[in-house]
Amino acid sequence: SQQGEEDPQALSIQEGENATMNCSYKTSINNLQWYRQNSGRGLVHLILIRSNEREKHSGRLRVTLDTSKKSSSLLITASRAADTASYFCATDLNYQLIWGAGTKLIIKP
Amino acid sequence: GAGVSQTPSNKVTEKGKYVELRCDPISGHTALYWYRQSLGQGPEFLIYFQGTGAADDSGLPNDRFFAVRPEGSVSTLKIQRTERGDSAVYLCDSCLMGGARETQYFGPGTRLLVL
Repeated sequence: SQQGEEDPQALSIQEGENATMNCSYKTSINNLQWYRQNSGRGLVHLILIRSNEREKHSGRLRVTLDTSKKSSSLLITASRAADTASYFCATDLNYQLIWGAGTKLIIKP
Repeated sequence: GAGVSQTPSNKVTEKGKYVELRCDPISGHTALYWYRQSLGQGPEFLIYFQGTGAADDSGLPNDRFFAVRPEGSVSTLKIQRTERGDSAVYLCDSCLMGGARETQYFGPGTRLLVL
C-alpha cells in the first residue's frame, strides 16, 4: 500500500518558473526522501530530510517538512527542460520505503 | 564502482512462461530491495535482503514470485507461470547497511511485458 500522496498529479510550467510539489503521508516517520524518475525507469535520489529538520536545500531544490501536518514540499527554482520527470516522495517504515504515486512535471521551453 | 545494474532491460514473454530478472547491486552494499512499479504509480515493495537472507518477503504478491541472493551480492527475481497482470517495471535498489534512513541507489529497472 502507498503511504504518500503527491499533489498535484501533474504540473506543467514554463522554463525558468518555479515548481512546487507537495507530499502528504499517514504515519509517523523518521525521514522523508524525494526522488526523480525519468521515463519510468530508475529513480535518482534528490534529498533526504529527517523528522527533526524543517527545511533543507540542495542547489535549486528546497524541501520543507511539517510533521504536525504530515506533509512535505519540494520546490525547484528556475526550472529547466531537464527537470522534466516524475517526482516521488518516500517515507520510511522500519527498513522499507513507502512511496506515493508521484507528480509528473513538464517544463515547457 | 559502477551503479546498480539490472538485466535484461526489457523482457517480453507469453502468459504462463517463467522469467528471471537479475540485479547486480553496488559492491559492498549489504541491503538489496526489489520493487514493482506499474504505470502511473510509485514503486511497490516486494522483498528485502540483508546479506544472503530475505529479511522480509511480505511484499511478494503470491507464491509464483521468488527471489534469491545466494552469495550476498547478485540477486535474481523469479516469476513462475507469468500472468498479464505481472507486466510492470521491476526495480532493484541497494544501500550500504539497510534501512530506509539511507540514500537508496536504484538500477534502471527491467520492463516486463506479459502477452
